[in-house]
Amino acid sequence: AQTVTQSQPEMSVQEAETVTLSCTYDTSESDYYLFWYKQPPSRQMILVIRQEAYKQQNATENRFSVNFQKAAKSFSLKISDSQLGDAAMYFCAYRYYGQNFVFGPGTRLSVLP
Amino acid sequence: GAVVSQHPSRVICKSGTSVKIECRSLDFQATTMFWYRQFPKKSLMLMATSNEGSKATYEQGVEKDKFLINHASLTLSTLTVTSAHPEDSSFYICSAARDNVYNEQFFGPGTRLTVL
Repeated sequence: AQTVTQSQPEMSVQEAETVTLSCTYDTSESDYYLFWYKQPPSRQMILVIRQEAYKQQNATENRFSVNFQKAAKSFSLKISDSQLGDAAMYFCAYRYYGQNFVFGPGTRLSVLP
Repeated sequence: GAVVSQHPSRVICKSGTSVKIECRSLDFQATTMFWYRQFPKKSLMLMATSNEGSKATYEQGVEKDKFLINHASLTLSTLTVTSAHPEDSSFYICSAARDNVYNEQFFGPGTRLTVL
């Protein structure tokens, strides 16, 4: 069964600095999707970024970018120029075609002013 | 686009009563809807997957007679917690996919259930 691991239960970053959240996963598939979701205190899940495994180019969305290492089964999220509004729980998720999402345990990110 | 609503956002009920939570896709047709449960400071746990017009598929360990799921239309799914007990208190989140590939899920804002 696929599993997703986030080894950092909590992280903190100074405002305007850069932080990287780690995620590793286990799968025997070659084509799949990976996601980072943000859950702020409101509890609303928000998609941050998505990566298709067949694409070698790392996905980017404004201040958010990923480092996708397929062979290592690693999918880290980099947040640049951190803002107070970035404080939230971040969940890494995996999905293979036609199957359900598998979420990691989450990383709580604090942004210090 | 791709907005999902949940109602109610909070509900408090007495032990032994039933509670219904609605999940609606407001601007798209959801072929598949998902129900998750989230404990404090924990990740999302998938409870069941529902497709419009068919029976829900429950994850292992989830009591289907206790958590009744109905996906009556392409925009509405309901979760009914029957004979609720304090241990059913939790945060319930629904999500919806708008095609059969569902490479993305759109999440509702969640419902906090407290059973006294």
